[in-house]
Amino acid sequence: QVQLLQSGAEVKNPGASVKVSCKASGYTFTRYDVNWVRQAPGQGLEWMGWMNPKRGNTGYAQKFQGRVTMTRSTSMTTAYMELSSLRFDDTAVYYCAREMATNEGELDNWGQGTLVTVSS
Amino acid sequence: ELVLTQSPGTLSLSPGERATLSCRASHSVSSSNLAWYQQKPGQAPRLLIYGVSSRATGIPDRFSGSGSGPDFTLTISRLEPEDFAVYYCQQSTTFGQGTKVEI
Repeated sequence: QVQLLQSGAEVKNPGASVKVSCKASGYTFTRYDVNWVRQAPGQGLEWMGWMNPKRGNTGYAQKFQGRVTMTRSTSMTTAYMELSSLRFDDTAVYYCAREMATNEGELDNWGQGTLVTVSS
Repeated sequence: ELVLTQSPGTLSLSPGERATLSCRASHSVSSSNLAWYQQKPGQAPRLLIYGVSSRATGIPDRFSGSGSGPDFTLTISRLEPEDFAVYYCQQSTTFGQGTKVEI
C-alpha cells in the first residue's frame, strides 16, 4: 500500500534551517507530484509548494519563495523540504502528501507529519 | 487570490443526525477540483471527496459532495461516532479554514 514516512521531530533556533524527509513506498515515486502542507498549532492547513519527482521542477507558495527548497532522490524514493531562516511562527507540523494523478491538487495520501519547533 | 470560506465554524450534532458543511469560493477558478478532507486530533488529514463529488478509496457512502462554483457542500447523511472531526475544503493550493463537527 502507499506509504509516506516522514523524518522525526526537530527543534531549531531562530535563523536556522530545517530539512524534512518523506520516504515514499508502495507506488512508482516518479509518477506523482509531492506537495508539502503545514499546520501551526491549533490552526488550519497551509499549502507550501509542490515538486515533480521525475523532472525535479517545483512550484512554491509566494509566502515561502526564497526560503523553501523542495528536492528529491529518485534512487531513494524520498522527497525533501528545506525551510531556511526559521522564525518562531514557523513552528508547525509539516506534512508531505502525494497529489492525485488528475493533477488538480487533490492529495490522496499523506505522511504522518513532522513537528518542527522553533525555539530559543 | 482565492479564498475559501467554510461555514459554520462549528457544528454541534448527535450521532445519527445529518451534517451539512458549506464551502464558498471568493471567485470561480475551476468548478471540477474541489476536495474535502477529514482530520482527527493528532492525525494527518484524510482525503474524503475529490472532483467535487467523487469519493476517495475506502470512504463510506454516507459522505457525499456536491455543488458548483462558488458554492460547494459536504454532506454526512448519518453521523457515526468516528465522524466527529474537523473538515477542510480545498481548491488547488487553497484550503478553507475548517469546520469542526462536534458531539
